[in-house]
Amino acid sequence: TAGITQAPTSQILAAGRSMTLRCTQDMRHNAMYWYRQDLGLGLRLIHYSNTAGTTGKGEVPDGYSVSRANTDDFPLTLASAVPSQTSVYFCASSVGSSNEQFFGPGTRLTVL
Amino acid sequence: GQNIDQPTEMTATEGAIVQINCTYQTSGFNGLFWYQQHAGEAPTFLSYNVLDGLEEKGRFSSFLSRSKGYSYLLLKELQMKDSASYLCAVRDSNYQLIWGAGTKLIIKP
Repeated sequence: TAGITQAPTSQILAAGRSMTLRCTQDMRHNAMYWYRQDLGLGLRLIHYSNTAGTTGKGEVPDGYSVSRANTDDFPLTLASAVPSQTSVYFCASSVGSSNEQFFGPGTRLTVL
Repeated sequence: GQNIDQPTEMTATEGAIVQINCTYQTSGFNGLFWYQQHAGEAPTFLSYNVLDGLEEKGRFSSFLSRSKGYSYLLLKELQMKDSASYLCAVRDSNYQLIWGAGTKLIIKP
């Protein structure tokens, strides 16, 4: 069982370019999340989805968008990247919003 | 505002016991989680507390006092592989996790 996969593993992106970070889970979890992790700060929630077809904004949603067309996939899109979006991005999933979250391996993004 | 506080870094000796504290102020409380994160890797679940008291799981135990807004993670018989960051997270009234910045634990032989 793969659990949660993320792609790419790492990426260097020019400022102003768009990019989609991919996240796929095979555990049939209802809820999925996108976090960013920056040195010295806790994980910060960007967007979440409690079930397929619904999404919600987290603590730091500006500059990011998500979609949840099906249970397994939860892509995160940066429409026009800025250097402050340089971070490690983690996708996570849980059976429901009340349960422990399982994390993907992360995507390290550098915006220059 | 919402706040989770934990020490930035701690050092302990192999074979010893260490206690990592976490204090929180959040809008509502629906449980507290501890995660372990090795450098360059994803966080992995360690423990969950929703009622006051101690939860024991092998070498790891987690304690919660809701009235004090306080939790600790206790690691016994420390091993070198326990060198990692330990993240405290509280589930708030919206059922979202609010995360502390993590405590980097360094184990020395």
